[in-house]
Amino acid sequence: EAGVTQFPSHSVIEKGQTVTLRCDPISGHDNLYWYRRVMGKEIKFLLHFVKESKQDESGMPNNRFLAERTGGTYSTLKVQPAELEDSGVYFCASSQPSDEQFFGPGTRLTVL
Amino acid sequence: KQEVTQIPAALSVPEGENLVLNCSFTDSAIYNLQWFRQDPGKGLTSLLLIQSSQREQTSGRLNASLDKSSGRSTLYIAASQPGDSATYLCAVDSNSGYALNFGKGTSLLVTP
Repeated sequence: EAGVTQFPSHSVIEKGQTVTLRCDPISGHDNLYWYRRVMGKEIKFLLHFVKESKQDESGMPNNRFLAERTGGTYSTLKVQPAELEDSGVYFCASSQPSDEQFFGPGTRLTVL
Repeated sequence: KQEVTQIPAALSVPEGENLVLNCSFTDSAIYNLQWFRQDPGKGLTSLLLIQSSQREQTSGRLNASLDKSSGRSTLYIAASQPGDSATYLCAVDSNSGYALNFGKGTSLLVTP
């Protein structure tokens, strides 16, 4: 069974540009999460989908970040416009209800 | 706000030793606790999930315990091997609806 996949694995963009990250959860997992680790800090929660609905987006840093999950399958996280402090590793995870979360390999975003 | 602390930040042991990694959390009202390992440049691999009603979980040479009242969990690794070298992360779900709060991790090096 395929695990959580993320695309791209790396992205280097300039300040002010737009980047879209994609996450494909494990098939059948209604719960999908986005997390972020910035350098030197712990992994932080961004938001949680149940199917196509945003259940909790309390961790989203500001309105430059937009997450979608149309159709309740894959999800995208768009950063527009990107700022230097957005650099970090963005992780996606998925789970069954109230069960362990399985993480993808992450997307390393570098904003120059 | 839930805070998760992991001690030590780094640990180096010779192969074959048994070792204990510590995780503490400030709010004992948790839903579950999950231990992960992360290899350099890779995603997070789920090791063990402990529900709040459980005291411990075992998987192979790994044993995780949970003491909610004192806000502590330990990960015991028996007969350590060089392949165990990785960063070990503790994450707590604080009844907030699935968002995990992570510690900064313990970087483990097992030398041959």
